[in-house]
Amino acid sequence: DTGVSQDPRHKITKRGQNVTFRCDPISEHNRLYWYRQTLGQGPEFLTYFQNEAQLEKSRLLSDRFSAERPKGSFSTLEIQRTEQGDSAMYLCASSSLRTGSVGGEQYFGPGTRLTVT
Amino acid sequence: GEDVEQSLFLSVREGDSSVINCTYTDSSSTYLYWYKQEPGAGLQLLTYIFSNMDMKQDQRLTVLLNKKDKHLSLRIADTQTGDSAIYFCAETTMGSARQLTFGSGTQLTVLP
Repeated sequence: DTGVSQDPRHKITKRGQNVTFRCDPISEHNRLYWYRQTLGQGPEFLTYFQNEAQLEKSRLLSDRFSAERPKGSFSTLEIQRTEQGDSAMYLCASSSLRTGSVGGEQYFGPGTRLTVT
Repeated sequence: GEDVEQSLFLSVREGDSSVINCTYTDSSSTYLYWYKQEPGAGLQLLTYIFSNMDMKQDQRLTVLLNKKDKHLSLRIADTQTGDSAIYFCAETTMGSARQLTFGSGTQLTVLP
């Protein structure tokens, strides 16, 4: 199968530690998105890559957050000096400009649930 | 800024139709989507509609768009217990990123 995958699925960390999450998009998709979802809310956009270029970042993405997509394939999202407010589900999605409908629909991975204690 | 609103809860009996409603504020919204999320899982794309359409049907799903009122609905015919989930409405514009703006989700409970 070729859906979006994310690793790890769950992460528990102590406040102040750094964490890194990985996303592997659908292989032919050139666009990759990170969203954050807190309990009872819909996902909120964090950042977007087209190939390896990070083209847009939300103001939600503080300077403790950094994302990379070094070869235009998988992406990592790192959170430094985690805070309890960072506890959330981090979702990755991918889409394609070249294929699929003109809707550029985004396909989501299962998410990484982060708990900061 | 953009805002997408949904009612929080809906309960229906198995076999009935469900109608989940959504309103949005961004008049430049180009595509509107419905996603389904089951407990502990990511989001599953159900269907989408382009803003120049009024209706789209896909098997048991019917999407209606009233662009004048900025109102979107998802009708699920013959609702089954497996349809119990949270349903999110989302919109995007023709900007370069096309990031999605989501509502808070509607929890659909299907009663036997």
